[in-house]
Amino acid sequence: DAGVIQSPRHEVTEMGQEVTLRCKPISGHNSLFWYRQTMMRGLELLIYFNNNVPIDDSGMPEDRFSAKMPNASFSTLKIQPSEPRDSAVYFCASSLGQVGNEQFFGPGTRLTVL
Amino acid sequence: AQSVTQPDIHITVSEGASLELRCNYSYGATPYLFWYVQSPGQGLQLLLKYFSGDTLVQGIKGFEAEFKRSQSSFNLRKPSVHWSDAAEYFCAVGLSGGGADGLTFGKGTHLIIQP
Repeated sequence: DAGVIQSPRHEVTEMGQEVTLRCKPISGHNSLFWYRQTMMRGLELLIYFNNNVPIDDSGMPEDRFSAKMPNASFSTLKIQPSEPRDSAVYFCASSLGQVGNEQFFGPGTRLTVL
Repeated sequence: AQSVTQPDIHITVSEGASLELRCNYSYGATPYLFWYVQSPGQGLQLLLKYFSGDTLVQGIKGFEAEFKRSQSSFNLRKPSVHWSDAAEYFCAVGLSGGGADGLTFGKGTHLIIQP
């Protein structure tokens, strides 16, 4: 079975450019999570969705960050405009959305903003 | 708000030796606790989880963890490490068991295995 799929795996962009990260959750999972990993701050939850609805976006650092989940099989995390401090590994995870269910993580997107 | 502390940034262990990685949490109610492992360039894989019941939890790859409420700890152990265990290990706490809520992670412990 395919796990969580993220694209691209690596992204290098220049400051000020728009960046879009993509995630396809495991089929049948109804919860989706976006995390960011940096050396300084570790793994942080940015936002999560249940049944395609954003539940908690308090971890989104600034208005430059936005996330959407137009359907159960696709989500995007957009940064506009990007800044060097956004450089990090961004992980998407999905789960069945019930107590006790494991979150399955994708391989991550390594973003470098020059 | 909940928080997780992993006091050891790096730990070096000889192959075949026993391992214990420390994790302390702060949370007002009964926590849901997890240990994940991350190999270089990879996503996170769940090793084990604790929700309730037996405080000693068995996981994959020969790992186990013990929940101690009095110490607010959930330490990960393995009796004999293998070179393939070299990785980053994360302890995490969730409000609803992780399924429907996001997890709060510790900063991680980098495990180095000496031959």
